[in-house]
Amino acid sequence: AQSVTQLDSHVSVSEGTPVLLRCNYSSSYSPSLFWYVQHPNKGLQLLLKYTSAATLVKGINGFEAEFKKSETSFHLTKPSAHMSDAAEYFCVVRPYSGAGSYQLTFGKGTKLSVIP
Amino acid sequence: EAQVTQNPRYLITVTGKKLTVTCSQNMNHEYMSWYRQDPGLGLRQIYYSMNVEVTDKGDVPEGYKVSRKEKRNFPLILESPSPNQTSLYFCASSLSLVSRTGELFFGEGSRLTVL
Repeated sequence: AQSVTQLDSHVSVSEGTPVLLRCNYSSSYSPSLFWYVQHPNKGLQLLLKYTSAATLVKGINGFEAEFKKSETSFHLTKPSAHMSDAAEYFCVVRPYSGAGSYQLTFGKGTKLSVIP
Repeated sequence: EAQVTQNPRYLITVTGKKLTVTCSQNMNHEYMSWYRQDPGLGLRQIYYSMNVEVTDKGDVPEGYKVSRKEKRNFPLILESPSPNQTSLYFCASSLSLVSRTGELFFGEGSRLTVL
């Protein structure tokens, strides 16, 4: 079984300051991990993914995340927030057993507000 | 343009009136899935399909049906909608989730209100 915990339901930052969105996971197998972003009235868009290669993963729009197995974390960061970053962010885990896995588990989401 | 298309985007209906939400993808993806999104609950999987004529239940399948007769289409059917099915629905597809790198592509969502 797997689970995802997004530690903050809402994060508020000032424009130009760093962003940190926290995600912890548990998984029976070596996981793939994803971050998706959802802008208002839009579908979810992939920001970045970890699939067992480099532990520091770079995504679109200046976001990156670091896979830390010892801490079972996959926190999303960005050095400088932009107004267009205001959206809801979802952390997703998919355990990978080698035979494939169709079971994805979504976190409950973190809403990011950016203050001008 | 590669996309997942859902229709309708917005629908208000009444209890018991059967409805279908269509989903179509143009990327020749094998895997398709339906999710519902409710405040504070994130996304929950309703049904998924690994290929044509292969479907399986997700976490919250009660009150829903699906079919996968063609690779590109995966309609979601509510035979007798009830108010607790008022939600935002997303269709998603993936080339294959057998690969470790498989990611989901999402439609823009269908907001359903059942009165």
